Amino acid sequence: DQQVKQNSPSLSVQEGRISILNCDYTNSMFDYFLWYKKYPAEGPTFLISISSIKDKNEDGRFTVFLNKSAKHLSLHIVPSQPGDSAVYFCAAVETSGSRLTFGEGTQLTVNP
Amino acid sequence: DSGVTQTPKHLITATGQRVTLRCSPRSGDLSVYWYQQSLDQGLQFLIQYYNGEERAKGNILERFSAQQFPDLHSELNLSSLELGDSALYFCASSVAPREYGYTFGSGTRLTVV
Repeated sequence: DQQVKQNSPSLSVQEGRISILNCDYTNSMFDYFLWYKKYPAEGPTFLISISSIKDKNEDGRFTVFLNKSAKHLSLHIVPSQPGDSAVYFCAAVETSGSRLTFGEGTQLTVNP
Repeated sequence: DSGVTQTPKHLITATGQRVTLRCSPRSGDLSVYWYQQSLDQGLQFLIQYYNGEERAKGNILERFSAQQFPDLHSELNLSSLELGDSALYFCASSVAPREYGYTFGSGTRLTVV
């Protein structure tokens, strides 16, 4: 039972344009959502999180949007840079829990 | 350097063998999490320890076991290895997993031949 799903295995965008990565979830007990970036041969690194009481959180070029009614979140990267090319994972954690449930990841390629 | 140290980085072993993966969490973090990433798969939660005690268990096979020692380092033991156990194994630690997530190590790539 995949509680966190990233339906797009890959995304390709031009440098300077917006990248939008999507994630859906099924578990209503999730109340925190996170995005991670992973380069080859490295562990995932934390990017940004959002609490379920918010619908938007920004950090520099990265913005995460949460639509609770649709059980959907998205990560926007503006402007996209070639160094952003990596696999992006969304993750979620249940109320009062600490275990992260991850999606399958989306490979983002930013072309110069 | 994330502060989470995993050794070894690479491991090649034969089917039926037993291996031990080691993880040292970031200084001050009491929780250690183990995840498995198989080819083209997401990160699958295996097990969590907090200050030496098992806190949560995921899809961890009975052939796998883990422990956390008094100095907070953790070991993941994989036995009777099968070809399908070939994967990246990540360890992570955290102090505030909900707001700031985990800090991951660079992983151990296990290849079973």
